Amino acid sequence: EAGVTQSPTHLIKTRGQQATLRCSPISGHTSVYWYQQALGLGLQFLLWYDEGEERNRGNFPPRFSGRQFPNYSSELNVNALELEDSALYLCASSLTTGPGGYGYTFGSGTRLTVV
Amino acid sequence: AQTVTQSQPEMSVQEAETVTLSCTYDTSENNYYLFWYKQPPSRQMILVIRQEAYKQQNATENRFSVNFQKAAKSFSLKISDSQLGDTAMYFCAFMNPIPGNQFYFGTGTSLTVIP
Repeated sequence: EAGVTQSPTHLIKTRGQQATLRCSPISGHTSVYWYQQALGLGLQFLLWYDEGEERNRGNFPPRFSGRQFPNYSSELNVNALELEDSALYLCASSLTTGPGGYGYTFGSGTRLTVV
Repeated sequence: AQTVTQSQPEMSVQEAETVTLSCTYDTSENNYYLFWYKQPPSRQMILVIRQEAYKQQNATENRFSVNFQKAAKSFSLKISDSQLGDTAMYFCAFMNPIPGNQFYFGTGTSLTVIP
């Protein structure tokens, strides 16, 4: 069974540009989560999508947005990139009904560098 | 708000020895879940162990065990018979199933196993 896949692996953008990161969940998983892991910090919750809807978002500005497609894959968009957006962005997927984190699986992330 | 604190940024242990990683958390919830995740250089977050707050018995997974002290809001990880493959970042995480399975992570402990 394929795991959570993220693309691209690495992404270099210039300040002010837009970045698009993609995530394909495990087959059968309907929830997708996005986390930001900045250097020296733990993972910070960004967004949660389930059944095509945004269910919750973390304490991030509106320039961080995304969507979930009918096949449950997801896209994270970061507009007006700032240097501080440089981080590893991790996607995870789970079954909506999975209690307390069972089946919660992470991808290997996209390393975004803003120059 | 939930917070997770890991006060040991770096630790080292001799191969085959035992090491304990500390974690404290703060929450007003009564029903929650606690986790330890391992992040090797491959960047993928790997579940090490999971504890349900309503269970008093400490979780164990082979060489990994936890000391869960609910009243003290403490959740430490003990690694026995340390192996070179245990070298990684270790993150303590808290999950409150409501409103939806999102994690709150600590800042991590970098563990090095010395041959």
